[in-house]
Amino acid sequence: GESVGLHLPTLSVQEGDNSIINCAYSNSASDYFIWYKQESGKGPQFIIDIRSNMDKRQGQRVTVLLNKTVKHLSLQIAATQPGDSAVYFCAENNNDMRFGAGTRLTVKP
Amino acid sequence: NAGVMQNPRHLVRRRGQEARLRCSPMKGHSHVYWYRQLPEEGLKFMVYLQKENIIDESGMPKERFSAEFPKEGPSILRIQQVVRGDSAAYFCASCLQGGTEAFFGQGTRLTVV
Repeated sequence: GESVGLHLPTLSVQEGDNSIINCAYSNSASDYFIWYKQESGKGPQFIIDIRSNMDKRQGQRVTVLLNKTVKHLSLQIAATQPGDSAVYFCAENNNDMRFGAGTRLTVKP
Repeated sequence: NAGVMQNPRHLVRRRGQEARLRCSPMKGHSHVYWYRQLPEEGLKFMVYLQKENIIDESGMPKERFSAEFPKEGPSILRIQQVVRGDSAAYFCASCLQGGTEAFFGQGTRLTVV
């Protein structure tokens, strides 16, 4: 569901480590999910998506895991780089597209 | 194929004026979403439109705010009689149809002085 008015939780990782960003969703009937990356001053950028008939989907350095039982999504970023520093949002897209609160990822050199 | 285009990128309005924000979707996309974002906060859903049709406006204030997506031309988010609290970044996203990949524009940053 939507989280509005909440300041962003943060995750700080060392360059080269793996990052895991979590997201809980509210609608058990949701069947399509998207992860977005938002850099400062820019619009959200599509990273990866997954449909509810899958548990896992991999992209380049990113993996999304979907656990429908507990309504949980995670985004895993392998070998995190400074350019990965951004805010990451998950979204449920059931015609209307609602966003989670977002997580700020900071990569330390 | 140009991405989603929003203009203006920055808009300054005095209290009481009108703000008109434009969003041109990606070519072939007939669905548009509008969101509002305050600094260090998430994206708040405002309205979901299909060409010539409002599908869901549950996130949009009932007064002063309106949105349209005509058959020809961009989608417009209109804010009448702006107040300081309307200052925010407004993003639009477009997709082919609901439940598919949606792509965002770079946003319009509205400042009400």
